[in-house]
Amino acid sequence: NAGVMQNPRHLVRRRGQEARLRCSPMKGHSHVYWYRQLPEEGLKFMVYLQKENIIDESGMPKERFSAEFPKEGPSILRIQQVVRGDSAAYFCASSKTGGASNEQFFGPGTRLTVL
Amino acid sequence: ELKVEQNPLFLSMQEGKNYTIYCNYSTTSDRLYWYRQDPGKSLESLFVLLSNGAVKQEGRLMASLDTKARLSTLHITAAVHDLSATYFCAVASYNNNDMRFGAGTRLTVKP
Repeated sequence: NAGVMQNPRHLVRRRGQEARLRCSPMKGHSHVYWYRQLPEEGLKFMVYLQKENIIDESGMPKERFSAEFPKEGPSILRIQQVVRGDSAAYFCASSKTGGASNEQFFGPGTRLTVL
Repeated sequence: ELKVEQNPLFLSMQEGKNYTIYCNYSTTSDRLYWYRQDPGKSLESLFVLLSNGAVKQEGRLMASLDTKARLSTLHITAAVHDLSATYFCAVASYNNNDMRFGAGTRLTVKP
């Protein structure tokens, strides 16, 4: 029973390029959450999605960042025109039912480095 | 706005000693989590605390929750080197969709 899967595990981009981060939730889970962790800091909530719906994107930067969770396939976090400040670890979590009161299981993370 | 504060942020202990990490949060919550993170790794769930007075123990770690004081503690008993990691508490707010994390406590256990 595979856990939450994320790929790539490491991603290097130059300033101005696009970054696409993928997350496949645990089997049977239909709720996905994205968090960002800057070096030496805790995780900060970005967005919460269900299949084909964004439920809460209050933690997403207003520009350049977008997320989707299509009917088929993984959830995607997309960062356009990356800047050095986007360098961080991005974690995806999934839960069986929705909301933060349900236990979330975390993936291994994608470490984004912007040169 | 829900805020979560942990202290201390850095903790250096000798093996065999006891210590407590504190997690305060600012608004009512019905669920509190403790996670462990090793360098470069993901988060490992340690405890889920659901109600006032809840106490859970696993090995040398024991977590408790006081919802009236909005305080959770993670107590380390007779620390060993393998416990060196960063420990995070996170709080779920019942009507919110997000989980707020503390800044983490970086624990180093020295022989």
